[in-house]
Amino acid sequence: AIRMTQSPSSLSASTGDRVTITCRASQGISSYLAWYQQKPGKAPKLLIYAASTLQSGVPSRFSGSGSGTDFTLTISCLQSEDFATYYCQQYYSYPPTFGGGTKVEIK
Amino acid sequence: EVQLVQSGAEVKKPGESLKISCKGSGYSFTSYWIGWVRQMPGKGLEWMGIIYPGDSDTRYSPSFQGQVTISADKSISTAYLQWSSLKASDTAMYYCARQRLDPEIFDIWGQGTMVTVSS
Repeated sequence: AIRMTQSPSSLSASTGDRVTITCRASQGISSYLAWYQQKPGKAPKLLIYAASTLQSGVPSRFSGSGSGTDFTLTISCLQSEDFATYYCQQYYSYPPTFGGGTKVEIK
Repeated sequence: EVQLVQSGAEVKKPGESLKISCKGSGYSFTSYWIGWVRQMPGKGLEWMGIIYPGDSDTRYSPSFQGQVTISADKSISTAYLQWSSLKASDTAMYYCARQRLDPEIFDIWGQGTMVTVSS
């Protein structure tokens, strides 16, 4: 199975900050990458797919980039509702696999 | 409104069997895959397997093959995840999610079912 490694595992940031999360695949996955946001006690929510396509209804402060093995999720101006855990997921090959998650906390 | 509604929390003893459910509404249930994702307490997400209710085609992660059974009843738009003999290590939150055909991503999630296995 393809291993997905996220970094950092957690970070502290303030409202208004620009935040970048990285995700690395153990082998090339083209652009078959999605990002999900999960708030405590809630189900994950799809943010981005195909590495950079924003899901309908997701604010434009979220963006994704990358292809091959290295990807990033950027939140351009962190809002209070963005404090959550973020997961990447590859769907290039079965089984689809998730990264370990990045928890974005309030500084 | 497109939604997946899961059955309620369960508390079971080791060795017992269990079947939890996920009912879809607001869309054509037989036109999308339904997947199951495990989240152990304080941990990340693990892809378990998926089923296509239209023809019951099922795929499992090797990590879960033989450990669980995924099924569906398209007549009532419901997918299931079942265990024949629970272990304490099955204690987790289980989410069902709708998977698009292309791209193969989970776009709609259920609210989750907490399964606790304890003697």
